[in-house]
Amino acid sequence: DGGITQSPKYLFRKEGQNVTLSCEQNLNHDAMYWYRQDPGQGLRLIYYSQIVNDFQKGDIAEGYSVSREKKESFPLTVTSAQKNPTAFYLCASSPWGSYEQYFGPGTRLTVT
Amino acid sequence: AQKVTQAQTEISVVEKEDVTLDCVYETRDTTYYLFWYKQPPSGELVFLIRRNSFDEQNEISGRYSWNFQKSTSSFNFTITASQVVDSAVYFCAPRRGSGGSNYKLTFGKGTLLTVNP
Repeated sequence: DGGITQSPKYLFRKEGQNVTLSCEQNLNHDAMYWYRQDPGQGLRLIYYSQIVNDFQKGDIAEGYSVSREKKESFPLTVTSAQKNPTAFYLCASSPWGSYEQYFGPGTRLTVT
Repeated sequence: AQKVTQAQTEISVVEKEDVTLDCVYETRDTTYYLFWYKQPPSGELVFLIRRNSFDEQNEISGRYSWNFQKSTSSFNFTITASQVVDSAVYFCAPRRGSGGSNYKLTFGKGTLLTVNP
């Protein structure tokens, strides 16, 4: 089955630790995105990548880092510099030239 | 600057009622795209529809219909004969019309729809 996989669904970390969230897609989509969602809020863009080995900052990139070494994978690292890392993180992808973005199931990160 | 407003924070209806979700998108762009997404309790966003700014023709798909009026910057979404499974948060998400950073979707804060049996 084609789709976007995010793992794990729930993640717990201690403050001060870096943590990497996984996002994999087998849809052969070129572009991939990371969004953050806080309770009662819409999604905000963290990073996006339109092709392999290239990515751009979104609206709230501070405290996050990404890599795009393979077309299928776009991992997000939440660093200790991110002041409020507890949130729901959603990964999305879209085919080249398409406007629709398709979302994964999300990872709920809790940092205490 | 662009601004997307979903003024309804929460709506509660009884099953089989019709319900309309409002979205207003203020922009000076002449070309843009408007999307509606549904987020059920599971959390995953589900794409519902995309409309282009140059196409004001309304659309109906099953129990869903969309009304886009460029003159008032409104892109409203109506569910006819609502069902309990329609309970979710609905997001309006515009996107600017050209390339580069304009790939970004700008999400409204969402409207929580609860359909009671």
